Amino acid sequence: AQSVTQLGSHVSVSEGALVLLRCNYSSSVPPYLFWYVQYPNQGLQLLLKYTTGATLVKGINGFEAEFKKSETSFHLTKPSAHMSDAAEYFCAVTLVSGGGSQGNLIFGKGTKLSVKP
Amino acid sequence: DAGVTQSPTHLIKTRGQQVTLRCSPKSGHDTVSWYQQALGQGPQFIFQYYEEEERQRGNFPDRFSGHQFPNYSSELNVNALLLGDSALYLCASSLAYRGMTEAFFGQGTRLTVV
Repeated sequence: AQSVTQLGSHVSVSEGALVLLRCNYSSSVPPYLFWYVQYPNQGLQLLLKYTTGATLVKGINGFEAEFKKSETSFHLTKPSAHMSDAAEYFCAVTLVSGGGSQGNLIFGKGTKLSVKP
Repeated sequence: DAGVTQSPTHLIKTRGQQVTLRCSPKSGHDTVSWYQQALGQGPQFIFQYYEEEERQRGNFPDRFSGHQFPNYSSELNVNALLLGDSALYLCASSLAYRGMTEAFFGQGTRLTVV
């Protein structure tokens, strides 16, 4: 069975500091991996995704993540935090079958990012 | 393109009542998935509809049912509401052949059961 673990339910950084949000997954087959952001009282917005190919994935708003199969990790980073990055971030995984991801998304419990001025 | 639209945005119901939530997918999308997000938790998969049929289902009781219409819009119905059904209900649309790699989420419906 697939699962996602996000280490740290709450991360606080200063504006301009490095953002590192951790995600580890468990999957019996190579998964597709995603990071979503959720602002208060809103839906989910896709930040970036890993499907195949390059393991370092760049997303929107300056975020990137690296797929490390040996570590079963897909950590999200941003070199310099901005106040507008304060939100909740969710890592998700989905099964790959028949060349596509026909399965549902399995989410972690989320990490709330606070950015101090 | 309006993206994925959900209605209503907020809803308050009493225990034991029934509720219907609605979702219009992004233009061109043919698959709709529903998720429940309890406070402080990640979204949990309820079910997915494609070609007007339930294609996959998560670990939710039969009180949760759905429907997909010929125009690909979808409804989520919950019967015999419990306090624990209070959550944000998210709808995601996608193209069947692209799967969840190209899914878009709506803003959600906040359901409060009192």
